Amino acid sequence: QVQLVQSGTEVKKPGASVKVSCEASGYTFTDYYMHWVRQAPGQGLEWMGWINPKSGATNFAHRFSGRLTMTRDTSISTAYMELSTLTSDDTAVYYCARDQDFWSGCSDHWGQGTLLTVSS
Amino acid sequence: DIQMTQSPSSLSASVGDRVTITCRASQDITNFLVWFQQKPGKAPKSLIYAASTLQSGVPSRFSGSGSGTDFTLTISSLQPEDFATYYCQQYHSYPLTFGPGTKVEIK
Repeated sequence: QVQLVQSGTEVKKPGASVKVSCEASGYTFTDYYMHWVRQAPGQGLEWMGWINPKSGATNFAHRFSGRLTMTRDTSISTAYMELSTLTSDDTAVYYCARDQDFWSGCSDHWGQGTLLTVSS
Repeated sequence: DIQMTQSPSSLSASVGDRVTITCRASQDITNFLVWFQQKPGKAPKSLIYAASTLQSGVPSRFSGSGSGTDFTLTISSLQPEDFATYYCQQYHSYPLTFGPGTKVEIK
């Protein structure tokens, strides 16, 4: 069965960077785009961007341009999301989510989430 | 960007009730809409995609309808495990955008 397992809780200081991993199993990693979505405490869901695991191409929401990087390591079926220049507004749970139809934008499987706290 | 709205923002209902949640898009998204259920501390779970197609394994008491700009999620007979927050999301165009959510609480 499809599984996405994310790395653990992170605590960072303002100005720092964070890198979250998402290890996929149960399917061919390069056959489906991976999205990243975040959720601030008590708030709704916000799409951040996607990565094409086959080519490494990425597409980000405008508000993250310049400080968001997405990469992947196909040898270990793992996607990474790195966010830099952190502020307290970046405190959130970060999810990876597999696209259902390669690139449709509709996700069918989600990771368990990674809590990031940004605090001085 | 396509803006998504939902109503109501919250509702109280009893087990066995029929519940309807509405989602509206700021422009025509044809049927590129997915509904998620989220419970506290858990990741969202896909219920319905393409506006009306039930995701595998989702109980048949959930149904979706609509096209264009107006969509509904209906739970025909609310069960205890259905108390959660429900989100709609459009995938007609990027950036993907979500509705603000509807919290379904126990009356």
